[in-house]
Amino acid sequence: ETGVTQTPRHLVMGMTNKKSLKCEQHLGHNAMYWYKQSAKKPLELMFVYSLEERVENNSVPSRFSPECPNSSHLFLHLHTLQPEDSALYLCASSQDYSVQSGNTIYFGEGSWLTVV
Amino acid sequence: QKEVEQNSGPLSVPEGAIASLNCTYSDRGSQSFFWYRQYSGKSPELIMSIYSNGDKEDGRFTAQLNKASQYVSLLIRDSQPSDSATYLCAYITRGSTLGRLYFGRGTQLTVWP
Repeated sequence: ETGVTQTPRHLVMGMTNKKSLKCEQHLGHNAMYWYKQSAKKPLELMFVYSLEERVENNSVPSRFSPECPNSSHLFLHLHTLQPEDSALYLCASSQDYSVQSGNTIYFGEGSWLTVV
Repeated sequence: QKEVEQNSGPLSVPEGAIASLNCTYSDRGSQSFFWYRQYSGKSPELIMSIYSNGDKEDGRFTAQLNKASQYVSLLIRDSQPSDSATYLCAYITRGSTLGRLYFGRGTQLTVWP
């Protein structure tokens, strides 16, 4: 139990489907993140939210749409995805997003996405 | 250009040996460095952070940072089979935030009994 819970853990969707990934953190943190982990590629930051406000958007295609209704919940809405979007999507949180001693990112277990 | 280079491995060591994991980075503005461990099918977890040149020890783990050589390493003493995982090196540039944490591809470590 990492304190960051992601659902669903596995998702298979067609290219015309619309689905959402959900993340909830129970750590009282103020910053939340979406990362993408593909085979043989480095972990890539997608979005960062601080106090429900998006502060980073790392040139992610519009077929990925984040939503942060409050500091404990983060969604990633998916529509018209491509097979190359198949990957592990990791949610994470931190106390805030400053670099201070002891402030670190805690990852959820991830959602395995397969686009067919 | 932000790049973190790691030997993808696999690195294989016998139980009880010292495992040495290395990482080089290209950005001279890099400030803070992190080592994450990721078991197969699991999420990354932070095991070490280092901010200044030199060594930092935590139990069986020692992180070494040499900013002049743009090199950071992780030594695992008395390696155990439970240490078998992928180790990710990551860094943040000076003046940046956790939103700019750059990861390497990771080194796969196998510790055999």
